[in-house]
Amino acid sequence: EVQLVQSGAEVKMPGESLKISCKGYGYDFTTYWIGWVRQMPGKGLEWMGIIYPGDSDLRYSPSVHGQVTFSADKSISTAYLQWSSLKASDTAIYYCARQYTTSSPFDYWGQGTLVTVSS
Amino acid sequence: QSALTQPASVSGSPGQSITISCTGTSSDVGGYNYVSWYQQHPGKAPKLMISGVNKRPSGVSDRFSGSKSGNTASLTISGLQGEDEGYYYCSSYTTNRTSVFGGGTKLTVL
Repeated sequence: EVQLVQSGAEVKMPGESLKISCKGYGYDFTTYWIGWVRQMPGKGLEWMGIIYPGDSDLRYSPSVHGQVTFSADKSISTAYLQWSSLKASDTAIYYCARQYTTSSPFDYWGQGTLVTVSS
Repeated sequence: QSALTQPASVSGSPGQSITISCTGTSSDVGGYNYVSWYQQHPGKAPKLMISGVNKRPSGVSDRFSGSKSGNTASLTISGLQGEDEGYYYCSSYTTNRTSVFGGGTKLTVL
């Protein structure tokens, strides 16, 4: 069974760093793209970007480029989203999802990771 | 990349049909047949309902259908049921080799 399992909720202070994870099960992790989608409180879905774990090819949305970093460790079928210096505006639920090609839909989603940034 | 334009809300009675529109540009919706629709219930992850403009993944009811004309895609739900209530988001591939979501539409079943 295909599953994407994300790390648990985080509460951080502004300026702190953070790395959240998304682990794939039940399929060849190296042959699907992993996307990251942000959902701010009470708001809609925002496409952040994608990474191909097979060779770490990356695409970032202009709105997050330089603000976050995607990475992946194919040996443990895990993708990561990280921040070096969090802001209150980073408070959101972050979903990972997989897609077969860059133009394919997201067919399986993780359960989401709630990140709360507050002083 | 600007978000695709969806109506903020639509409503319908059980058994009726509703249509949700998703308007983009020739750089996204109009340029590719890579429009998808997702359903999201409160507190849950999104679920793929339609891909490639009008293809239903296995397990999705045939009450859901998609279409496209020019820069506007549409999702139609026929025979509305209470379980259809929730939020619906369209998404499209773009010329920048990225993707973009619509702002989302809240569906209320009266």
